[in-house]
Amino acid sequence: RKEVEQDPGPFNVPEGATVAFNCTYSNSASQSFFWYRQDCRKEPKLLMSVYSSGNEDGRFTAQLNRASQYISLLIRDSKLSDSATYLCVVNSGGYQKVTFGIGTKLQVIP
Amino acid sequence: NAGVTQTPKFQVLKTGQSMTLQCAQDMNHEYMSWYRQDPGMGLRLIHYSVGAGITDQGEVPNGYNVSRSTTEDFPLRLLSAAPSQTSVYFCASSYGSNQPQHFGDGTRLSIL
Repeated sequence: RKEVEQDPGPFNVPEGATVAFNCTYSNSASQSFFWYRQDCRKEPKLLMSVYSSGNEDGRFTAQLNRASQYISLLIRDSKLSDSATYLCVVNSGGYQKVTFGIGTKLQVIP
Repeated sequence: NAGVTQTPKFQVLKTGQSMTLQCAQDMNHEYMSWYRQDPGMGLRLIHYSVGAGITDQGEVPNGYNVSRSTTEDFPLRLLSAAPSQTSVYFCASSYGSNQPQHFGDGTRLSIL
């Protein structure tokens, strides 16, 4: 099993839709979790950290499920500008144990 | 704020040539790293540094060298370029090992 797994998509959703992505991880000792956004041919940019209690930032909600070992990202009221690849990042302790998922591609359609 | 600055943005090399990718950050971050990103694969760690004078290998270090003489700069050297090193290279920095990383805008490198 890969350390971090994401469905590469693409997820094609209409404007205004709600879409959710999951990211599973294999190391139960993983300590910190992040979602990044990467636009085509650009650098990854931090979207949000994922906390044990869950956290929300506007239309974006991130959750952590330690029992089932996955994190999720929910996007409400999708905008055309949300079209991008969303990378999950899992840190199992130290820089050398940071693992990036391959990313989930989202395309929001007018 | 400049953040993390990488140069050059694009480079084409011939097999066997050497070159240095530059990375500088102005956020006084102790931790810096180099990743490569290839299609269908997540970012893979090449080398990283936890402070000036301290570097260590990541997942794919072969063919690359690094040094960290100052907090701000973390150059990546390709010793003898090979076609397998064709990739997009990202430099990143963070306050600590468990903190989110800030990325430069990347170097697109092609080895012919």
